[in-house]
Amino acid sequence: AQSVTQPDARVTVSEGASLQLRCKYSYSGTPYLFWYVQYQRQGLQLLLKYYSGDPVVQGVNGFEAEFSKSDSSFHLRKASVHWSDSAVYFCAARSSNTDKVVFGTGTRLQVSP
Amino acid sequence: NAGVIQTPRHKVTGKGQEATLWCEPISGHSAVFWYRQTIVQGLEFLTYFRNQAPIDDSGMPKERFSAQMPNQSHSTLKIQSTQPQDSAVYLCASSLQGYTEVFFGKGTRLTVV
Repeated sequence: AQSVTQPDARVTVSEGASLQLRCKYSYSGTPYLFWYVQYQRQGLQLLLKYYSGDPVVQGVNGFEAEFSKSDSSFHLRKASVHWSDSAVYFCAARSSNTDKVVFGTGTRLQVSP
Repeated sequence: NAGVIQTPRHKVTGKGQEATLWCEPISGHSAVFWYRQTIVQGLEFLTYFRNQAPIDDSGMPKERFSAQMPNQSHSTLKIQSTQPQDSAVYLCASSLQGYTEVFFGKGTRLTVV
């Protein structure tokens, strides 16, 4: 079955530190991959997406993610986090033959001052 | 572009009452999705439409839940005889034809008392 796994429910980092949020997918073939962010009481907003090509994709606010076919992963990174990055981050995937987007369970990021 | 619009933002119903949630997708978007978000279950797919036709309702509870898309400008999610376990944030999203990202509304927070 197609699935997306985010193994870390909560991550806490200090402001200015680097960040990696993990995402693994289970799909036949290579799906389209996304990272979304949800701020308090808001809908989900797209951070970045991967369809093909360069495995490192850049997103908004300094976020980037790296696709790895061998590892079935799409980890999110940021070099230096800010307190305003505190939010819930969702990894998502969509296969090439359907509109349906499957989401991971989310990782709650807390940036401490 | 006002984005995906969901109304109401908050709804409180008594146990056993009916709740109807409304979604206006982004103009021109042909796919409309409904998700349910809770602390325990995370983000659950419910159903989606493409060009107003129901495509996949595999996430919909078989009883009491129904979704419709009578025209291209709005979709409704109806919950009959609401129960406390239906309390959640219901998110609507839309996307263009083809395999692009989905855009989310801010959600409707349903509380069943």
